[in-house]
Amino acid sequence: AQSVTQPDIHITVSEGASLELRCNYSYGATPYLFWYVQSPGQGLQLLLKYFSGDTLVQGIKGFEAEFKRSQSSFNLRKPSVHWSDAAEYFCAVVASGGSYIPTFGRGTSLIVHP
Amino acid sequence: EPEVTQTPSHQVTQMGQEVILRCVPISNHLYFYWYRQILGQKVEFLVSFYNNEISEKSEIFDDQFSVERPDGSNFTLKIRSTKLEDSAMYFCASSEGLVGPNTEAFFGQGTRLTVV
Repeated sequence: AQSVTQPDIHITVSEGASLELRCNYSYGATPYLFWYVQSPGQGLQLLLKYFSGDTLVQGIKGFEAEFKRSQSSFNLRKPSVHWSDAAEYFCAVVASGGSYIPTFGRGTSLIVHP
Repeated sequence: EPEVTQTPSHQVTQMGQEVILRCVPISNHLYFYWYRQILGQKVEFLVSFYNNEISEKSEIFDDQFSVERPDGSNFTLKIRSTKLEDSAMYFCASSEGLVGPNTEAFFGQGTRLTVV
């Protein structure tokens, strides 16, 4: 069965600094990969997704993520963080050819200092 | 933009009581899901529902849990006799089809259940 690891529970960055949130997955074939964000009081919002092709994918709100098969990783990045990016970020994987049900990591809480 | 809505946003219940968590999925969606997140832990899959029946369920989804789509718009999760360890954030989601390249799952804002 597939699994997702987000090793960082909390990340603190200063506004304007760059950001990288880590995500590693375990799955035999190439999975479908997602990043979601949850702002306080909101639902999980899809930031971006990867299925195939170009390994660098662009998402909403200036986020991007890079799929690295050799490292089984799908890290989320943003070159310059804004205070409004403070939220909980979730990585998820769907096993293509499996149940097509998203499996999530524990989430990483992003704190942004002014 | 259509969205998944969940009610209530917070619920406190006494141990042993029954609770019903409610969700209104996006209207043309056919697949429905419940997840939960115990504080500090992973978001865990509970159950998926399609064509008026459970299509997948996890080990967590035991006989204490049930789901229902009573009226074609609501999708409910019932916990028959709550335990302290049921305290968690419960997320409802829906998708138009199987999640994949052209289909994403849309999530509600969650219901925080506290069992005392």
